[in-house]
Amino acid sequence: DQQVKQNSPSLSVQEGRISILNCDYTNSMFDYFLWYKKYPAEGPTFLISISSIKDKNEDGRFTVFLNKSAKHLSLHIVPSQPGDSAVYFCATNRDDKIIFGKGTRLHILP
Amino acid sequence: KAGVTQTPRYLIKTRGQQVTLSCSPISGHRSVSWYQQTPGQGLQFLFEYFSETQRNKGNFPGRFSGRQFSNSRSEMNVSTLELGDSALYLCASSSYRSYNEQFFGPGTRLTVL
Repeated sequence: DQQVKQNSPSLSVQEGRISILNCDYTNSMFDYFLWYKKYPAEGPTFLISISSIKDKNEDGRFTVFLNKSAKHLSLHIVPSQPGDSAVYFCATNRDDKIIFGKGTRLHILP
Repeated sequence: KAGVTQTPRYLIKTRGQQVTLSCSPISGHRSVSWYQQTPGQGLQFLFEYFSETQRNKGNFPGRFSGRQFSNSRSEMNVSTLELGDSALYLCASSSYRSYNEQFFGPGTRLTVL
């Protein structure tokens, strides 16, 4: 039972444009939603989070939007840079149990 | 501050053997979580320890176990290895106040032959 779904395994975006990564979830009881980024041969690194009581959180080039009625969240990266090429994991936290999606590989094209 | 360290980085075992992986968290972090990453299933939560107590457990068989020591270092053990246990095992530590921001180690790549 996949509680967090990232339906796009990969995404290619031109450098300088907006990257939009999407995630759907099934359980309305999650407390927090998270995004992590992973480079090859490294562990994931925390990017940004949003509380379930908010609908937007911004940190520099990264903005996360939460649509509770649709059980959907998205990560916007503006503008996209070459160093953003990585695998992005959406995750949720409920009662200190973090559940990750399967990830979306983002390719930033020159 | 030194990051999360995991040893060994690579391991090759055969079916039926057992393996122990080690994780040293960031100094001051008392929470240590373990994850299994495979190409098909992504990152799956194994268990989490806080102050030597297992607080949370994922949906893995009893062959997967762990423990945490008084200095917050943690070990996980997999007994009776199966081919499907081949994966990258990641350890992450976090402070109690900021559990969402987990700091991951580089992982241990386990290959079961």
